[in-house]
Amino acid sequence: KQEVTQIPAALSVPEGENLVLNCSFTDSAIYNLQWFRQDPGKGLTSLLLIQSSQREQTSGRLNASLDKSSGRSTLYIAASQPGDSATYLCAVGGSFGNEKLTFGTGTRLTIIP
Amino acid sequence: GAGVSQSPSNKVTEKGKDVELRCDPISGHTALYWYRQSLGQGLEFLIYFQGNSAPDKSGLPSDRFSAERTGGSVSTLTIQRTQQEDSAVYLCASSLDPGGYEQYFGPGTRLTVT
Repeated sequence: KQEVTQIPAALSVPEGENLVLNCSFTDSAIYNLQWFRQDPGKGLTSLLLIQSSQREQTSGRLNASLDKSSGRSTLYIAASQPGDSATYLCAVGGSFGNEKLTFGTGTRLTIIP
Repeated sequence: GAGVSQSPSNKVTEKGKDVELRCDPISGHTALYWYRQSLGQGLEFLIYFQGNSAPDKSGLPSDRFSAERTGGSVSTLTIQRTQQEDSAVYLCASSLDPGGYEQYFGPGTRLTVT
């Protein structure tokens, strides 16, 4: 059974700093990995999708990397802003025919102005 | 539509009543997923549709839960004889196709069973 872990559970950093969020998974036979953000009381907003054949994806100030063999992904946020405060979730998709996402428990990020 | 929509946004029901939750996926998306987010369990998969068929129902927690999808579009999740442990946010997602496409989530339905 796939298990996804995100450490730390909570993180506070001053505005302007660069930061890294971590995600690890136990079964390397994944199809893809997706990073989301969730604002309080809201649904999930997709940030980045990395296919299993890719090593990284970038969108604006966000960069996500994937090391499938070691079961790890990182989300790098550059020049953090107060609007980046949210809970960040990573989710892994299983193999073709098993496309459901298995989610980590999230990292609650607070950017201090 | 512009995104995945869900209704109602909030539902309060008494224990033992049946509830229906609705999901409208993004137009043209063939795959549809239901997930549940609760304090104790995090975000967990319930059921997946490809078109109108459900190849994976493995996450449904009991036979009180059922779902259907009609016309390859709208889906309804039904919970019969609701229990307090069913209280959670129910999230729907859709993707263009299965097989690794990005999943887009709706705002969720917050279900409270009193």
